[in-house]
Amino acid sequence: AQTVTQSQPEMSVQEAETVTLSCTYDTSESDYYLFWYKQPPSRQMILVIRQEAYKQQNATENRFSVNFQKAAKSFSLKISDSQLGDAAMYFCAYRRNEKLTFGTGTRLTIIP
Amino acid sequence: DVKVTQSSRYLVKRTGEKVFLECVQDMDHENMFWYRQDPGLGLRLIYFSYDVKMKEKGDIPEGYSVSREKKERFSLILESASTNQTSMYLCASSLLDRSYEQYFGPGTRLTVT
Repeated sequence: AQTVTQSQPEMSVQEAETVTLSCTYDTSESDYYLFWYKQPPSRQMILVIRQEAYKQQNATENRFSVNFQKAAKSFSLKISDSQLGDAAMYFCAYRRNEKLTFGTGTRLTIIP
Repeated sequence: DVKVTQSSRYLVKRTGEKVFLECVQDMDHENMFWYRQDPGLGLRLIYFSYDVKMKEKGDIPEGYSVSREKKERFSLILESASTNQTSMYLCASSLLDRSYEQYFGPGTRLTVT
């Protein structure tokens, strides 16, 4: 079974600084998708960024980018120029078929 | 925009009651999912459905059942609620294509007393 590990339960960063959230996963498959989701306090979970495993190029979405290391099974999220609105729980997720497997989440606090 | 709605944001039920949680999506998605979210455990899949009247067990189906009579609606049923089912319940939907993300509802925080 696939597992997803987020080893940082909590992180904090100064506003305007850069922070990296870690995620590792375990799979024997070669073709899959990886996602980062954001869950703001009392608000809906939304997609931040997605990565296709067969693409070597790291995905980027504005201030959000990933460092995808397929051989190491690592998928970290970098947030540049952190803003107050980035405060949330962040979940890493793996998808091989219909199902998503989630990590346990990292709570990100932004310090003004 | 995809919209996934859940019937209640907060729900309080007594032990032994039958509980229905409803989820509706408006984007004609084939897949629908029910998750349970607990601190330190992330999201765990309870059941999912890839078509009307079709369902598959997720990682923690015990104590739950589901119903999907229409494509847009997916119900989670707690036949006899117990205190250990106190949790946040999230519904999600997606297209069949696995490259697509899942879209989530706002969640229902269920308390069983």
